[in-house]
Amino acid sequence: GAVVSQHPSRVICKSGTSVKIECRSLDFQATTMFWYRQFPKQSLMLMATSNEGSKATYEQGVEKDKFLINHASLTLSTLTVTSAHPEDSSFYICSAKGPLSTGELFFGEGSRLTVL
Amino acid sequence: RKEVEQDPGPFNVPEGATVAFNCTYSNSASQSFFWYRQDCRKEPKLLMSVYSSGNEDGRFTAQLNRASQYISLLIRDSKLSDSATYLCVALYNFNKFYFGSGTKLNVKP
Repeated sequence: GAVVSQHPSRVICKSGTSVKIECRSLDFQATTMFWYRQFPKQSLMLMATSNEGSKATYEQGVEKDKFLINHASLTLSTLTVTSAHPEDSSFYICSAKGPLSTGELFFGEGSRLTVL
Repeated sequence: RKEVEQDPGPFNVPEGATVAFNCTYSNSASQSFFWYRQDCRKEPKLLMSVYSSGNEDGRFTAQLNRASQYISLLIRDSKLSDSATYLCVALYNFNKFYFGSGTKLNVKP
């Protein structure tokens, strides 16, 4: 299947700092990528839809100035958590629709953010 | 009401058992459906797509009932390694994916 790679897999940062997470489609072009957040024992929560060359579409309740998304190329989307606070600690996962017309989503490995 | 609903479980079954999960969706215009598997603290991985005619992949069988708006996943001869959370996903409007909250399966020796 298609490969989506996410980096870093784990990050620990101090409160108030910004953290950037990268999501790459390695063997296909992804015009659309999705960013999710998952708290322990809870379901995936869609944060935003990232569109190459245009602004991301954020879900209700997600602060666009807090979670900056950039999708500058067909293989790379980035999520920057700005001025991170302990309540931002979570598992962040990106995904992209695969190249087949059946539309499966392929996920990155996820990034576990811990804000101290 | 959630777009996709699943029984959270957990389903605790012995090795070798057959177990079935159901999932209901609310948007009749949903185009495609998938089952994903998520292990603890890992990303979801595609288990199988669900086709209208039903499809089978080894011990796994997926079925779609559009009239009743539900999807099912049947696992035969459960293995310990099948223990995971199974996510039901519906695709709407080619770009909108709705996730169920997942059904947890524990296969015990």
